[in-house]
Amino acid sequence: EAQVTQNPRYLITVTGKKLTVTCSQNMNHEYMSWYRQDPGLGLRQIYYSMNVEVTDKGDVPEGYKVSRKEKRNFPLILESPSPNQTSLYFCASSLRPVSVYEQYFGPGTRLTVT
Amino acid sequence: AQKITQTQPGMFVQEKEAVTLDCTYDTSDQSYGLFWYKQPSSGEMIFLIYQGSYDEQNATEGRYSLNFQKARKSANLVISASQLGDSAMYFCAMRGRYSGGSNYKLTFGKGTLLTVNP
Repeated sequence: EAQVTQNPRYLITVTGKKLTVTCSQNMNHEYMSWYRQDPGLGLRQIYYSMNVEVTDKGDVPEGYKVSRKEKRNFPLILESPSPNQTSLYFCASSLRPVSVYEQYFGPGTRLTVT
Repeated sequence: AQKITQTQPGMFVQEKEAVTLDCTYDTSDQSYGLFWYKQPSSGEMIFLIYQGSYDEQNATEGRYSLNFQKARKSANLVISASQLGDSAMYFCAMRGRYSGGSNYKLTFGKGTLLTVNP
């Protein structure tokens, strides 16, 4: 089954404790992206990757890191989480980056930072 | 810069009736795509329908259709014969070339919460 998976689905952590949210897709997609969703703000892009070893900042990259060592994986790293990073996070992927290709979303990771 | 505006924070519709969710957009790109996603209370993002900027016909997918008016920069979602399971948050999104770069990100509106009443 074609899908984007994220782990963990739910996470409660404390300020400053490093964490990684994993994202994996099995569709051989080139383009992968991370979004965060906050009430009243819709979804905003954090980082994106056009292909292996090619990553760049989206709209709200502060406090986040990413890597793309393999085509299928695109982990999101929070080196020192803060309460303002409490949010619902989505990983997404598409075959190519151009507009015609649908982005497939993972199930979401609900992160709470206390 | 790209912008998506959804002016209806919430909408109510009776079961079996049709409903239109509004979406207007702003972009300087000539080539772009418009998407609608459904987000039920469980949280996942479900793709509903896509319209390309050069598509001459309005997109349709089952009970979903996209009323695309390019000159007015609007891309309204029409759901026919509403069902109770249609109750969810609906997001309009646009994808084009990010200004000054090569990032084909999705720009989202703030969403419309649709409630279908029995």
